[in-house]
Amino acid sequence: DGGITQSPKYLFRKEGQNVTLSCEQNLNHDAMYWYRQDPGQGLRLIYYSQIVNDFQKGDIAEGYSVSREKKESFPLTVTSAQKNPTAFYLCASATTDRVKRRNTIYFGEGSWLTVV
Amino acid sequence: AQSVTQLDSHVSVSEGTPVLLRCNYSSSYSPSLFWYVQHPNKGLQLLLKYTSAATLVKGINGFEAEFKKSETSFHLTKPSAHMSDAAEYFCVVSDDSNYQLIWGAGTKLIIKP
Repeated sequence: DGGITQSPKYLFRKEGQNVTLSCEQNLNHDAMYWYRQDPGQGLRLIYYSQIVNDFQKGDIAEGYSVSREKKESFPLTVTSAQKNPTAFYLCASATTDRVKRRNTIYFGEGSWLTVV
Repeated sequence: AQSVTQLDSHVSVSEGTPVLLRCNYSSSYSPSLFWYVQHPNKGLQLLLKYTSAATLVKGINGFEAEFKKSETSFHLTKPSAHMSDAAEYFCVVSDDSNYQLIWGAGTKLIIKP
């Protein structure tokens, strides 16, 4: 079945460690996104990528890094520079209708990151 | 600049009664609009979308939304609430020029037995 797979579902990080969250999609989508969601709050954009080998900072990119070496994959690294990384992280990808310039975004199941 | 306002942070209805979740947007051109639902500790699921076709959009689980350009609104409705509808709902506007999404703050729907 087509979809977006995030792993791991739950991850614990020690202070000062870098961790990488995986996001894979087999929907042949061009655009991919990473969002952070804190309890009781909406989504905030970390990074997005419209095409392979290109990505843009979102609203809260500090302390995070990404890569887009393959269309299917958009891993997110939470670095030690991110001072408050405990949150729910959501990966998404988007269809693109190049004629009408409309897109629809689909989400993975999310990854919980906790700093211990 | 585009923006989205969900007018209620919480909505509480009794099971079997109608649901109305309100969303207003601002956009400099004809937008794409979406509603997503998020159940606790889950990812987001697309309920429905408006992309300049019919103004009344039908989605999954009996939800629908009407695009009203004159009122810049895209309210989500359901005739009869079910306990399984209890979740958080997000209204989203798409900036199709750069694939960015503008998110509302979310509305938590509470269903009373």
